[in-house]
Amino acid sequence: EPEVTQTPSHQVTQMGQEVILRCVPISNHLYFYWYRQILGQKVEFLVSFYNNEISEKSEIFDDQFSVERPDGSNFTLKIRSTKLEDSAMYFCASSWGQGGQETQYFGPGTRLLVL
Amino acid sequence: SQQGEEDPQALSIQEGENATMNCSYKTSINNLQWYRQNSGRGLVHLILIRSNEREKHSGRLRVTLDTSKKSSSLLITASRAADTASYFCATVPYGNNRLAFGKGNQVVVIP
Repeated sequence: EPEVTQTPSHQVTQMGQEVILRCVPISNHLYFYWYRQILGQKVEFLVSFYNNEISEKSEIFDDQFSVERPDGSNFTLKIRSTKLEDSAMYFCASSWGQGGQETQYFGPGTRLLVL
Repeated sequence: SQQGEEDPQALSIQEGENATMNCSYKTSINNLQWYRQNSGRGLVHLILIRSNEREKHSGRLRVTLDTSKKSSSLLITASRAADTASYFCATVPYGNNRLAFGKGNQVVVIP
């Protein structure tokens, strides 16, 4: 069964460093998302992406964050200058149709720790 | 912002018993989805129920949706130890594509 994959599974970085989290969505899906879950808290929406552009973003997704689909398979989340509070589990998700109508399938997550 | 909210109680049940979790939300929705998360791991989609549906089944799962009360329930019948996990409801507010998650409900099934 097709699934969303994410790399790396764990990432440790120093505050102020740039990190890139990678995702390979399900191949025939058209909509892509990033969410994060700070330890012990709710899963929070960051951004959705469709047709090579951001379609929706939350207040969390500030100028430190960016997303890109550099080729036909990968979908990346970049954090330019990490802060301690960026430590969280980051989930990529994809859906065939608009997320408002169709199931969003999640990857296993990347656990980011900022020291 | 509108979001799903599960009942905050953790559940601890014996294997074979049924487990019921509830979720409430505040505004109009396109659909409501339930997810499972094993400790510290990814989110596994369980079931999606649309705003014009009232009940849906998938294997041992039964989900209801009451849009007049803005609430949903997830029933797991004949629970197994492997059902031990956190269960989240997530709503898609009308006109949006983002999922708004509740805090999760920890279920422990004792063998």
